Amino acid sequence: KAGVTQTPRYLIKTRGQQVTLSCSPISGHRSVSWYQQTPGQGLQFLFEYFSETQRNKGNFPGRFSGRQFSNSRSEMNVSTLELGDSALYLCASSLGATSYNEQFFGPGTRLTVL
Amino acid sequence: GNSVTQMEGPVTLSEEAFLTINCTYTATGYPSLFWYVQYPGEGLQLLLKATKADDKGSNKGFEATYRKETTSFHLEKGSVQVSDSAVYFCALSIQGGSEKLVFGKGTKLTVNP
Repeated sequence: KAGVTQTPRYLIKTRGQQVTLSCSPISGHRSVSWYQQTPGQGLQFLFEYFSETQRNKGNFPGRFSGRQFSNSRSEMNVSTLELGDSALYLCASSLGATSYNEQFFGPGTRLTVL
Repeated sequence: GNSVTQMEGPVTLSEEAFLTINCTYTATGYPSLFWYVQYPGEGLQLLLKATKADDKGSNKGFEATYRKETTSFHLEKGSVQVSDSAVYFCALSIQGGSEKLVFGKGTKLTVNP
């Protein structure tokens, strides 16, 4: 069974640009969560999608958005990039139907904002 | 709110030494507790979990016991190996309705031969 895949693995952008990151969950998983990892703030929850609906959202500005498609693949978008958005963005997938389901993490997308 | 506090590293040990990484939590509901491990250049892997008080999670020689009275979930291993070098994260999830994980800051462990 293939694991969680994230594309691209590395991205370099400049301030003011926007970026879209993609996450393909494990087959059969309906929940996808996104996290931002930085040396200063650690791992912070961005949002969770289940069956194409946002089920939970962290404390991030509206520049951070996401969506989930009918095949459970998810994308997150960051608009008007700031230097502080440089981070490793991790997505995790799980069955999502009941609590608690084990979450499986992808390798992450490393975003660098110059 | 919900939060996790774990001992800050880095922690450096010799092979076969005993490992303890402390983790305490505050939670508004009834949490499930987890330890995740992150190897260099990789995502997180679930190491072990416990979903109710007094449960002991164990995997690959690592253990942690859910202590509700002390709100703790300390990670232990009796004899570490060089291959255990990684960053370890304690995390909680409030049961019911969402998969959101709240993580501690992480503890970097280096094991020397």
